[in-house]
Amino acid sequence: GAGVSQSPRYKVAKRGQDVALRCDPISGHVSLFWYQQALGQGPEFLTYFQNEAQLDKSGLPSDRFFAERPEGSVSTLKIQRTQQEDSAVYLCASSLLSRTGGNQPQHFGDGTRLSIL
Amino acid sequence: DQQVKQNSPSLSVQEGRISILNCDYTNSMFDYFLWYKKYPAEGPTFLISISSIKDKNEDGRFTVFLNKSAKHLSLHIVPSQPGDSAVYFCAASADKLTFGKGITLSVRP
Repeated sequence: GAGVSQSPRYKVAKRGQDVALRCDPISGHVSLFWYQQALGQGPEFLTYFQNEAQLDKSGLPSDRFFAERPEGSVSTLKIQRTQQEDSAVYLCASSLLSRTGGNQPQHFGDGTRLSIL
Repeated sequence: DQQVKQNSPSLSVQEGRISILNCDYTNSMFDYFLWYKKYPAEGPTFLISISSIKDKNEDGRFTVFLNKSAKHLSLHIVPSQPGDSAVYFCAASADKLTFGKGITLSVRP
């Protein structure tokens, strides 16, 4: 498809387990973003990639959160030793240009709903 | 400290009437503002945007107004349709997007 694709759509894990969430951005998009959305809240920024370079990880809540985009396309968000407060929807978005390339909208995937038991 | 505020959690409007969704912000560095629409179990869909150098942008039934001095923007939908029923997020950007909490719009047939 032409949109941002995320997998899995739903993930249930036990507290303490590691999880990996995948994002396939729109082909050719330079910028990739990860967001965390808690129930009843708007999405909150986690991290930003320009191609394969992670230029901003200021929103990652702890060192248990790790993201990569090794070839400048697909990205993975990994959460180690999951805790109950990690339960949320994780959204990925991409945009055509870099963050300094001018104003442009971000296009979102449908998210991964993560539930930690 | 919420930098983007959508103070009304919900709005109900009759089909055919105007829907006005409001958003306030506090960060003077924001230079680009967007509205996203979200259906349940789907990701936010980009609706319309406005640069800080403009005060109005129109796209079909959707118009966004920006009042920089008041740090306020609004989305007007006219005429409203039942398919417009969704959660609407206001977002603002300096170098990253900051979202409001969203407002649930219900358009009654």
